[in-house]
Amino acid sequence: KAGVTQTPRYLIKTRGQQVTLSCSPISGHRSVSWYQQTPGQGLQFLFEYFSETQRNKGNFPGRFSGRQFSNSRSEMNVSTLELGDSALYLCASSFGVPYNEQFFGPGTRLTVL
Amino acid sequence: DAKTTQPPSMDCAEGRAANLPCNHSTISGNEYVYWYRQIHSQGPQYIIHGLKNNETNEMASLIITEDRKSSTLILPHATLRDTAVYYCIAPGSGNQFYFGTGTSLTVIP
Repeated sequence: KAGVTQTPRYLIKTRGQQVTLSCSPISGHRSVSWYQQTPGQGLQFLFEYFSETQRNKGNFPGRFSGRQFSNSRSEMNVSTLELGDSALYLCASSFGVPYNEQFFGPGTRLTVL
Repeated sequence: DAKTTQPPSMDCAEGRAANLPCNHSTISGNEYVYWYRQIHSQGPQYIIHGLKNNETNEMASLIITEDRKSSTLILPHATLRDTAVYYCIAPGSGNQFYFGTGTSLTVIP
């Protein structure tokens, strides 16, 4: 069974631009969660989608948004990029409650210049 | 979501058992405990999870105290490839996995 895939793997943007990251979950998984990882803040939860609905949201500004499609694929968007948005963005999928084991993708490394 | 506390770092000799503790004293009766690890710059890897009984799989064993206020992840025969940051998480009824700072395990040859 294929694992979680994320595209692109690496991305360089400049301040003020916007970016869209994509995540394809493991087949059959309906829950997709997004995380941001930086050296200073560690792994931080962004949001979770289940059956196309945002079910949980972390403490991030509105510039960070996401969506999930009917095939469970998910995208996250960051608008008006700031230097501090440079991070590894990780996507994880799971079947959903009660089978909450999350399986992570390799991440997208975003660099904002 | 229960708060978890882990030591920041540990060393273990190669071939020996690595015992990684986690305190989750505020855990509620229906909250599972999950363990993940992350090798540098890779996505976290699921290891094991449990509710109240001890669990074992091909990677590790999870020992949960009877009062469920703490648990220990055991890697029975640590190898150099087990060097990673290990996270203990108690996500609660939702699906919000809050990763703390974890324990940085170094396996020494």
